[in-house]
Formats: sequence, C-alpha cells, structure tokens
Amino acid sequence: EVHLVESGGGLVQPGGSLRLSCAASGFTFSDHYMDWVRQAPGKGLEWVGRIRNIPNSYTTEYAASVKGRFTISRDNSKNSLYLQMNSLKIEDTAVYYCAREAASVDFDYWGQGTLVTVSS
Amino acid sequence: DIQMTQSPSSLSAFVGDRVTISCRASQSISTYLNWYQQKPGKPPKLLIYGASSLQNGVPPRFSGSGSGTDFTLTISSLQPEDFAAYYCQQSYYTPWTFGQGTTVEIK
Repeated sequence: EVHLVESGGGLVQPGGSLRLSCAASGFTFSDHYMDWVRQAPGKGLEWVGRIRNIPNSYTTEYAASVKGRFTISRDNSKNSLYLQMNSLKIEDTAVYYCAREAASVDFDYWGQGTLVTVSS
Repeated sequence: DIQMTQSPSSLSAFVGDRVTISCRASQSISTYLNWYQQKPGKPPKLLIYGASSLQNGVPPRFSGSGSGTDFTLTISSLQPEDFAAYYCQQSYYTPWTFGQGTTVEIK
C-alpha cells in the first residue's frame, strides 16, 4: 500500500527557513515524479513544484510564487522527498502536501499534509 | 498559465440527486483534466483522470466528460459520503493549475 508521510512543519517568522520531508513507502519511489501542493487555510489547492525521476535527471519545476525561494530535492536511497523553503512570507502559510504523479500526469496519492505557519 | 474556472462555487443538494459540476479552461487542454474530492481535514482524493477515466476504487456514480476547454463532473445519485469539496486540475502543461473548488452541501 502506498504511503506518503510529511513532516517538518511548524511556526516560523517571516524571512525564516524550514525544510519539509515526505517519507514514501509501498511503491518504487525512484520511478515517479513527485510534487508538492499547498493549501492556505480555507482556500483552494496551489501547485508548488515537482521533481522528475532518474531518467529525467531529477530536474525541477516551480510555481512562480515560490521560484528562487523554494527548492525541491529527493533521496531515492531513503525514499524521501524534501522541500527547502527560504525567505518565507506570511502568504506561504498553508498545509503542504506531497503527492505522487502518476504516468497519466495526475496526483494519484497524497500525504496527510503538514502545516506551515509564517507569523511574527 | 492556464486558468481553471469551476461553477458553481457551491451547491446544495439532496441525497439521491444528480449533481453536475463544470470546469472551464482558459485554453484548450485536450483531455488533460483531473477531478479530486476533498473532505475537511483530509488530503484530496483522485476521482477522475484524463477527463473521463475513473480512478481505481472510485464508485461508478462518479463520471467525467469533456474535452478542449469545457468539462463536467457528474455524480449520478448523491450519497451522504459525497458531501465535500471538488476540484478540477489541468495537467496539459506546468504550472499545473486547479479550479477554485466547488463545495457540495446537504440540502
């Protein structure tokens, strides 16, 4: 059974940094593109970015709202996905989900999410 | 970026009703359209991919249709567990974008 478990969320001041992790199990992690999606309190879903798999050189893409501040990485030996968030802004406050991209380019599995609160 | 617009933003319906939710893309996306259901405090759940393919384990009362710019999610007979928020998402090209959501409430 596929499981995705996020961790690392918490309260951080504006301008601060935080690193989120997503532990994956139940599938061949290295085969899949992986994404981060966030949801501000009471709002809709916003794609944050993705990282491709080995055949595609682990290249990354980001939403314009986080480009240059956030970095997605992965460690296939640990079946883990990461989101390094720097220069955090109040508007980055959200639940952050990791999600597996299926071959049909949809998000077929999601973690439970981890809450990031940016506040002074 | 491709803008996704859902309608209505919310609706009220009875158990047993047929419900349709619309999603419009700002440009043609062929059938690169997915639908998700989200209940409060839970992550989204994939219902439909490729505009009309039912995800494994999803009840057949859910169906999707459309291509190009106009898409529809239909629930043929609304069940108590279907009261939730529904989102469309385009997977034509990045940045992946979602509709603003449609909340289905009990009437």
